[in-house]
Amino acid sequence: QKEVEQNSGPLSVPEGAIASLNCTYSDRVSQSFFWYRQYSGKSPELIMSIYSNGDKEDGRFTAQLNKASQYVSLLIRDSQPSDSATYLCAVNRNNNDMRFGAGTRLTVKP
Amino acid sequence: DVKVTQSSRYLVKRTGEKVFLECVQDMDHENMFWYRQDPGLGLRLIYFSYDVKMKEKGDIPEGYSVSREKKERFSLILESASTNQTSMYLCASGGTGNSGANVLTFGAGSRLTVL
Repeated sequence: QKEVEQNSGPLSVPEGAIASLNCTYSDRVSQSFFWYRQYSGKSPELIMSIYSNGDKEDGRFTAQLNKASQYVSLLIRDSQPSDSATYLCAVNRNNNDMRFGAGTRLTVKP
Repeated sequence: DVKVTQSSRYLVKRTGEKVFLECVQDMDHENMFWYRQDPGLGLRLIYFSYDVKMKEKGDIPEGYSVSREKKERFSLILESASTNQTSMYLCASGGTGNSGANVLTFGAGSRLTVL
């Protein structure tokens, strides 16, 4: 079992719709969870972090964490073509060790 | 802004050559990481370092070694490059966010082709 698993996609949504990206992790001691966005040919950049159960909102982005289910998600409301990218889920098992999922490629169609 | 600089953007090497990939960060971060990224496999951790001269193996350390002689510099070494090491290599530096957890900033990447 991979430590961090994501649906590889591709996920396609129309402009203005909600995009839902999911991630599960295997190590129960994981404490910190992140979503990175990677545009084609570019490096990943941090868009959201979440550390406690529940929802965390930042503009059009909402991260959700359920530690009991070992599940993290990212919702993108009012999706825009500029949101088209690969979204990487990352899990910090301790303060020094960061593991990534394979990423979900999102396409937002105008 | 945190800056993570990787020394080479594109490299072409021959099988058996020794390859050095250098990474420098300017924010005094304790933690530094080397990942490789391949299509469909995401980012796989090769090695990370949490202090000068300290290193830990990641998921795929075989065929690689690292060096961290100074806090700002973390080098990835391929002792004898092989074709299956053709990949994009990403260096990252880990700063402490508000919660104390790692927040990574990545370099631009080094695309290595081994012929």
